[in-house]
Amino acid sequence: SQQGEEDPQALSIQEGENATMNCSYKTSINNLQWYRQNSGRGLVHLILIRSNEREKHSGRLRVTLDTSKKSSSLLITASRAADTASYFCATDDIGTASKLTFGTGTRLQVTL
Amino acid sequence: SAVISQKPSRDICQRGTSLTIQCQVDSQVTMMFWYRQQPGQSLTLIATANQGSEATYESGFVIDKFPISRPNLTFSTLTVSNMSPEDSSIYLCSTGEAGELFFGEGSRLTVL
Repeated sequence: SQQGEEDPQALSIQEGENATMNCSYKTSINNLQWYRQNSGRGLVHLILIRSNEREKHSGRLRVTLDTSKKSSSLLITASRAADTASYFCATDDIGTASKLTFGTGTRLQVTL
Repeated sequence: SAVISQKPSRDICQRGTSLTIQCQVDSQVTMMFWYRQQPGQSLTLIATANQGSEATYESGFVIDKFPISRPNLTFSTLTVSNMSPEDSSIYLCSTGEAGELFFGEGSRLTVL
């Protein structure tokens, strides 16, 4: 499977602003997920959106999915310094027995 | 959810040596996954480890270089053999159901 691409590669915003990250992928999927990684540590699952869903919310997170364009976006509203991390999308591709393919990641820096 | 413990958390290794990373899950799980994250890069799946059978390796990864054990439903090891500086990476153990993955904190290996 081919790795998805995320943009921007890096994003710097001020606390309180919204952050939007985009993910594009190449295959047909069962679902798409977003993960956060703090400073090269383990990944934390944020949200999962299924292929038949178009939008999903969880707290300050909003995820959209457009399967016709093979793209997704993650919006973090009212960002905080603690949101500083790398964010990865990951696709559960059809026919791959639940193996995830991770995108290239977006490094988010939230400054005070 | 699953809690995953990995050790070592980090190590500095000499070229040509081998290192075994341990992964312990707090519950019985069917599949365990080993990922590699090279510096500044995304995650790449090395192999899937199922209890009672040989691990399934992804393209570009071979058993001689990355032997994996899965002696029971809560434990797995990954050995990085005959290391070179190119093996310097974070190695992450994960498990999950229905697509969502839980990760250990990772093992950061530096090969000199």
